[in-house]
Amino acid sequence: KAGVTQTPRYLIKTRGQQVTLSCSPISGHRSVSWYQQTPGQGLQFLFEYFSETQKNKGNFPGRFSGRQFSNSRSEMNVSTLELGDSALYLCASNEGNRETQYFGPGTRLLVL
Amino acid sequence: AQSVTQPDIHITVSEGASLELRCNYSYGATPYLFWYVQSPGQGLQLLLKYFSGDTLVQGIKGFEAEFKRSQSSFNLRKPSVHWSDAAEYFCAVGAFTGNQFYFGTGTSLTVIP
Repeated sequence: KAGVTQTPRYLIKTRGQQVTLSCSPISGHRSVSWYQQTPGQGLQFLFEYFSETQKNKGNFPGRFSGRQFSNSRSEMNVSTLELGDSALYLCASNEGNRETQYFGPGTRLLVL
Repeated sequence: AQSVTQPDIHITVSEGASLELRCNYSYGATPYLFWYVQSPGQGLQLLLKYFSGDTLVQGIKGFEAEFKRSQSSFNLRKPSVHWSDAAEYFCAVGAFTGNQFYFGTGTSLTVIP
């Protein structure tokens, strides 16, 4: 099976703009989770989607949102970008609760 | 609340030497534990996992980890390190309910020839 794919791999934006990141999970996986990774904060959970419904949300402001489509592909959106949003955004998929999460290569976002 | 502690921020070992990376967790039930490795600019690759049963688990690339409930630890070991093992290593615990993973802050491994 193909692994988790994320597009784009790299992105440069300026403050105030918005951005949309995409994640395609492993075939058959219905759960998609998003994480933000920064040198200072490490890996922080953003949210999880399962069968098009948000199941869990981390402690991030409302500028961070996401959705999942019927084919399990997921997108996350960040509006009104801030410098602190510069990070590696990782997507992970699995079959359900407490199963192994498989990670994509990430999208590196740089906000100038 | 669940949490994971990796007390060593950075470790340097010589190629061929043995390696042990420490991981301690705080959890209210039987944990689901994982070790992931991340090479620069890449995503996380699963090394091994513990769900139940034998407390010594084998993973890829010659890694193993031992679950010790009494010490709330899940340390990662490798008998002989290769230069290609240089990377960032993350320990994680799966939530009892829901699908959230809690990650440690990572241990950066440098391998010197």
